[in-house]
Amino acid sequence: AQKITQTQPGMFVQEKEAVTLDCTYDTSDPSYGLFWYKQPSSGEMIFLIYQGSYDQQNATEGRYSLNFQKARKSANLVISASQLGDSAMYFCAMRGRGSEKLVFGKGTKLTVNP
Amino acid sequence: DAGITQSPRHKVTETGTPVTLRCHQTENHRYMYWYRQDPGHGLRLIHYSYGVKDTDKGEVSDGYSVSRSKTEDFLLTLESATSSQTSVYFCAISSEFNSPLHFGNGTRLTVT
Repeated sequence: AQKITQTQPGMFVQEKEAVTLDCTYDTSDPSYGLFWYKQPSSGEMIFLIYQGSYDQQNATEGRYSLNFQKARKSANLVISASQLGDSAMYFCAMRGRGSEKLVFGKGTKLTVNP
Repeated sequence: DAGITQSPRHKVTETGTPVTLRCHQTENHRYMYWYRQDPGHGLRLIHYSYGVKDTDKGEVSDGYSVSRSKTEDFLLTLESATSSQTSVYFCAISSEFNSPLHFGNGTRLTVT
């Protein structure tokens, strides 16, 4: 079974600072993918970044980067230079090679203060 | 944006009535999913499909059924709606294992 744990129900950050959102996972699949999604107050789910378990480098997409530590089973999202528009719910998710299902964590609510 | 349309966007229904939610995609993706989102629970998988007429249960499938008779359409049916099924329902699609899911805009269902 796959499990995603996001231990931070809420996080606060000052505008222009960096913030790390934590995600740990558990799986027995040797091959898997890790995803981060953003859900603003308007409700849509927006894909941010993907990390494959066999990728040699940490994924980056603009101001988003993924701090992937395979041995520790963690896939933390780093947002650099936070903007007010980054205020949203953020979900970590994983999908095992042996499973078509994407399993989500419960999310972290990020608030960016001016 | 991925071509996913959910209908209806909002629905209010009474306990005991049947309800069908529709998800339509124009991307020809193999995988389609139905999730529900509730406060404190994140997104939980109801059912998913890996091809026409090929479906399987997720973690919260009780009280729900699905059908996929065409690649582009995935229907979620609540045979007899209950108040516990009040939720926001998201459809999602993906093409393969390492592809991200792309979500529809959601359907807000209220069962009174």
